[in-house]
Amino acid sequence: DIQLTQSPSFLSASVGDRVTITCRASQGISSYLAWYQQKPGKAPKLLIYAASTLQSGVPSRFSGTGSGTEFTLTISSLQPEDFATYYCQQLNNYPRTFGQGTKVEIK
Amino acid sequence: QVQLVQSGAEVKKPGASVKVSCKASGYSFTTYGISWVRQAPGQGLEWMGWISAYNGNTKYAQKLQGRVTMTTDTSTSTAYMELRSLRSDDTAVYYCARDVLTMIPAMAFDIWGQGTMVTVSS
Repeated sequence: DIQLTQSPSFLSASVGDRVTITCRASQGISSYLAWYQQKPGKAPKLLIYAASTLQSGVPSRFSGTGSGTEFTLTISSLQPEDFATYYCQQLNNYPRTFGQGTKVEIK
Repeated sequence: QVQLVQSGAEVKKPGASVKVSCKASGYSFTTYGISWVRQAPGQGLEWMGWISAYNGNTKYAQKLQGRVTMTTDTSTSTAYMELRSLRSDDTAVYYCARDVLTMIPAMAFDIWGQGTMVTVSS
């Protein structure tokens, strides 16, 4: 199975900060990586697919880069509604594994 | 609009079975697959398995093999996930999500159900 390791697991940031989350895959997955945002009590929401394509309706402050084994999610200017947990997911093969999550909290 | 609507919360005793439904609307059900994902309280997301809504082919997570069965009813555009021999560590929110039709690389799970809480307790 492909393992995904996110870093950091937790980060504390202020409104307006630039935030970067990294996701490393245990083997190459081309660009078959997605990023999701999850708020308490809610289903995950798709932000980025194919490593760098913004899902329709998602604000442009979110961006994704990477291919192969190293990927990043960047929030260019953190907004109050962005405080949540973020997950990466590989869809190159089965099982469709997720990273362990990165919780973004208010400093 | 395109959506997946799941059945309501369940409380089960250890050893029992649970069957969660996921009704699709707003798209052609048989041109996609459905994956199931669960999330234990305070924990991350765990992929459980996939089913093709076209031909019923399935792929299950190894740790759940033998305890989980995924099915579809194309007449009602509904997917089902049955989990047997429930244990306390099966307590989780269970989500369905739209996946691809066949076992090929995919872009993302773009549509998710609202989640179904399953509590296993004596």
